[in-house]
Amino acid sequence: GESVGLHLPTLSVQEGDNSIINCAYSNSASDYFIWYKQESGKGPQFIIDIRSNMDKRQGQRVTVLLNKTVKHLSLQIAATQPGDSAVYFCAETPDTSGTYKYIFGTGTRLKVLA
Amino acid sequence: NAGVTQTPKFRILKIGQSMTLQCTQDMNHNYMYWYRQDPGMGLKLIYYSVGAGITDKGEVPNGYNVSRSTTEDFPLRLELAAPSQTSVYFCATAQNSNQPQHFGDGTRLSIL
Repeated sequence: GESVGLHLPTLSVQEGDNSIINCAYSNSASDYFIWYKQESGKGPQFIIDIRSNMDKRQGQRVTVLLNKTVKHLSLQIAATQPGDSAVYFCAETPDTSGTYKYIFGTGTRLKVLA
Repeated sequence: NAGVTQTPKFRILKIGQSMTLQCTQDMNHNYMYWYRQDPGMGLKLIYYSVGAGITDKGEVPNGYNVSRSTTEDFPLRLELAAPSQTSVYFCATAQNSNQPQHFGDGTRLSIL
């Protein structure tokens, strides 16, 4: 499959360990944040989202943490599995004025070691 | 329920040729988007539409055109292909601006 993002930062974790992927967002006025997973040759896949009135949200094996003070978002994956190997990136919506535009990060490549 | 379908999956064009990248969705979403993804870069918005008959430019619209005659379809047109347009193109849809965007699997376009 085609490689997306040839020079992305890479996080290597042992299978079964927890993974933490970080994202610094750009606009303090952003009010909606999303994490996506992108496997090689595929489109981005929605994982989890969070709104600015929350600081934590949990899904199945994933947790997103939002720190608005330092404009930081993180994705925690519990008990990382080989199928979690992919590029992960965050997205933010910078305003509520109706521009309907997201800003996407460049991503982090997660490699799960057997 | 196919979600977002993009065709073709791969295409090689010669400089100056034209083509249309197709995107169709069965999610009944009003919002549709076209992005390009270059290696090491985040997704860049080309054009978007908030409903049938309405389109607007994104960050990188030059060299592209779109139309939105129906809710389901949002084709992207390249009129005079240039090597700088070599990229992976993704179409996405969303219920509204505060809901996640759902992506197709992309069209990988090379212009030689």
